[in-house]
Amino acid sequence: NAGVTQTPKFQVLKTGQSMTLQCAQDMNHEYMSWYRQDPGMGLRLIHYSVGAGITDQGEVPNGYNVSRSTTEDFPLRLLSAAPSQTSVYFCASSSREASNEKLFFGSGTQLSVL
Amino acid sequence: AQTVTQSQPEMSVQEAETVTLSCTYDTSESDYYLFWYKQPPSRQMILVIRQEAYKQQNATENRFSVNFQKAAKSFSLKISDSQLGDAAMYFCAVPLLTGTASKLTFGTGTRLQVTL
Repeated sequence: NAGVTQTPKFQVLKTGQSMTLQCAQDMNHEYMSWYRQDPGMGLRLIHYSVGAGITDQGEVPNGYNVSRSTTEDFPLRLLSAAPSQTSVYFCASSSREASNEKLFFGSGTQLSVL
Repeated sequence: AQTVTQSQPEMSVQEAETVTLSCTYDTSESDYYLFWYKQPPSRQMILVIRQEAYKQQNATENRFSVNFQKAAKSFSLKISDSQLGDAAMYFCAVPLLTGTASKLTFGTGTRLQVTL
C-alpha cells in the first residue's frame, strides 16, 4: 500500500528559487490538501482540493500555488522561495464518504530556505 | 473561525500508568468530527482516534479513549497502560468544514514523554 507519497523528503533552496513539492495518492480519494508545520505550532492548511480541477485557499496560502489536473496528484509550487517558508510540509488525502472520514498523511517534506 | 487549544505543551507519564491530554475547541457547527493524531519522531502523522460529535458515546480504540463533552467543547484523550512507544507529539484537530475531514484545524500539540 503506497498511500500518500511525497517527494522530495528534504530540500534546501536559496531565497528566490522556485520548486514544486510533489504529492500523489493511490486511494482514489476526492479530497487532497497541503499543510505546513512550524515549530511550536500545529499544522496549518495551505491549499486544498475537493476534486480534479477544483482548488481553494486554506489558512496560509500566500506564496504557494496549486493545481489538480488528476485525482491522484496535487503538487504544491513555491514560485519565489522565502526564508519564512522554511517548514515541514505535509500532503494529505481523504475520502468523501462520511464513513471513511479521516486524513491520510504523507511522510512530509523538510524544506529549508536560506 | 474554528480554534483548537491544547493547554499542556508537555506531559510525562510512567510506563503502565494512565495519562490524559486536554483539548478544547470552538466551533459554530453542530455536526462534526474530532480527531487525535500522534506524531512520533519519524514525523509521520498517525490517526489515534476519531469522535463523531453527534454520538454521545465516547470513542475507544484499544488503550486510547476520549472524554467528549460537547456542551463544554472539550475533547480529551486518555492513554491507559502507557508504553514507551506512546512517546510522541499529540495533536487534537477539528474540521474547518462540517462533514468533511478534508480541512482540519490543529492545536499546537502536547509532547508526551514516557518514563520507566
